[in-house]
Amino acid sequence: QLQLQESGPGLVKPSETLSLTCTVSGGSISSGDYYWGWIRQPPGRGPEWIGTIYYDGATYYNPSLKSRVTISVDTSKNQFSLELRSVTAADTAVYYCTRRRRSSSNRDYWGQGTLVTVSS
Amino acid sequence: QSALTQPASVSGSPGQSITISCTGTSSDVGGYNYVSWYQQHPGKAPKLMIYDVSNRPSGVSNRFSGSKSGNTASLTISGLQAEDEADYYCNSYTTSGTWVFGGGTKLTVL
Repeated sequence: QLQLQESGPGLVKPSETLSLTCTVSGGSISSGDYYWGWIRQPPGRGPEWIGTIYYDGATYYNPSLKSRVTISVDTSKNQFSLELRSVTAADTAVYYCTRRRRSSSNRDYWGQGTLVTVSS
Repeated sequence: QSALTQPASVSGSPGQSITISCTGTSSDVGGYNYVSWYQQHPGKAPKLMIYDVSNRPSGVSNRFSGSKSGNTASLTISGLQAEDEADYYCNSYTTSGTWVFGGGTKLTVL
């Protein structure tokens, strides 16, 4: 059974960089059948797509976050990561890592989510 | 990219059917059959209920169905059960190569 697990600091100071890692178990991140991505959800609000990466490193980002976001993949560790720079309180949210099947809207696996609070 | 439009809330009694709409534009919902629906209970991760407009993942009850007409997608839940009470979100691919979510609908089972 595939599992995705987010890890990283739960508290980040304003203007600093938020860094999260998603560890994939029970399946290979190098499968060409899937895209791997990040979605966040501010408290009390709907989800927001952050971006997606393919195993070969190709990335796609939300235009509203593109200037501050980098998503990378480490196939040797079966992990992918998120960096969000120059954070503000507006970046406080639960961050989820996900898997989506290619050529489909089938985003079938989600991590449990990790709350990241931006505060001094 | 603007969020897709969903009603803030819907309600129904056990056994009834309800439909949640998700309205976008020809650049997202109307342009692709890449619309999905998620159910989210408090404190939990979203759960995929429908993908590619009308496909149900394995394990999801056949009481859940999806459809699309023009720029509006719909999720129908028949035979409402207490456990269906949750927030529901639609999600669509866009011409920009990005993904956009709806604002969410709170379903109350009376």
